[in-house]
Parts: sequence; structure tokens; C-alpha cells
Amino acid sequence: DAGITQSPRHKVTETGTPVTLRCHQTENHRYMYWYRQDPGHGLRLIHYSYGVKDTDKGEVSDGYSVSRSKTEDFLLTLESATSSQTSVYFCAISIQSRGSSYNEQFFGPGTRLTVL
Amino acid sequence: GDSVTQMEGPVTLSEEAFLTINCTYTATGYPSLFWYVQYPGEGLQLLLKATKADDKGSNKGFEATYRKETTSFHLEKGSVQVSDSAVYFCALSERGNNRLAFGKGNQVVVIP
Repeated sequence: DAGITQSPRHKVTETGTPVTLRCHQTENHRYMYWYRQDPGHGLRLIHYSYGVKDTDKGEVSDGYSVSRSKTEDFLLTLESATSSQTSVYFCAISIQSRGSSYNEQFFGPGTRLTVL
Repeated sequence: GDSVTQMEGPVTLSEEAFLTINCTYTATGYPSLFWYVQYPGEGLQLLLKATKADDKGSNKGFEATYRKETTSFHLEKGSVQVSDSAVYFCALSERGNNRLAFGKGNQVVVIP
């Protein structure tokens, strides 16, 4: 358990409304990620962060923005939600194992978002 | 760019059957390879990993061998249980890269 929580766990909203999802970690890990999971697509990276105020785009970043004002929180915002953003959103953190060259990712429980 | 390909479609099999899920990859460098499992209603959990050619990752009766010559990392289990019903994702990470590339996942359903 890497101490990752996501809120809310479920949300239903209407097209055109802003939505913010929160990812919180308790262990001061540097790297944090936001993915979306859709049938037939697996997990696709939306945005990631490599430190406070340091973020970068993933493969499906259009329509999403992120912010990381402190190490423990990584926020994902849909400025104006659309039905195509109905999905399950997962947050993850990355931990480099001691003495290894790879990073292992640990995932939060997910947020199911429905945009009507 | 880096990519992972998993076999198409769900897998349905009977309890105690042999399970194989194919995974092949394309990478510019020398990646580390992973299998993640997602049980219903949960996030992904790391199942096993391999970081260099010919390494065998294993956990909970599952195994996968890093085959550089065939760029593959197939997942196998000799005798599945109903509790193995889940979605399985193959993934890779290039050395020194903190990003994962995932396959599309395979739903595995084990029938009693």
C-alpha cells in the first residue's frame, strides 16, 4: 500500500461543467500520474508530474489540466466536461527500487466519472 | 515510440486450466517489463516484473520470461482458480524513464 487516495470515488456531472479530481499521497514520492481507463484502450496517460509545479503532458492531455502545488496532492481538472471524458480515472505514483534502474508504479483505487 | 501489444479479446477458461496471455513489445532501448492485474472494482496491482533478458518474473503461481529475441513477455499460470478472474495488463518502461506504456489488457474469466 503506497498510501494513495483519490476523491471523489464516484461523480456524475453534466456536459460543460468543470470537474476536479484529487489524488493524495502520504509518502512524499516525486512522480505522480493521471491515467484514464476505457474499454478497448487499456490505460492511457493524461498528465504526469515530476515535482511541485513540474508537470508534463501524456498521450491524451487535450481537455485536461493538472496542478501540483504541494508534493502530496496532484489535481486533475476538466475545465468543461464532455461525454467523451466519461471514464475511470486512476492516479499513480512511481517508486524506484533501491539498487535498480526501473521505477515501479502503484495505483490508487480510481474515480468513476460520468458526464451526462 | 514504445508500445505493447496484447492478444485480442477476453479469455474464458475452466478452473485448473492452463492460462497463457501473449504480450509483445516494441521499444527503442532496453525496457523493463511488467504484468499488472486489476480485480473488479479496484486499481491496478503489480503482479510480476523482469528487468533484463531471460529474467523470469513470478508471483502467485504466475510466470513470465523476458524474451529479447522475440520481444515477448507472455504470462502463464499452470492451474487457474476462480479468484484469478481479473483484467491483466502488460506494460513496459524504458531504462531511466518514469513512464509506463500499457497494453490494452485482457479480461480473464475462470469458470468453476
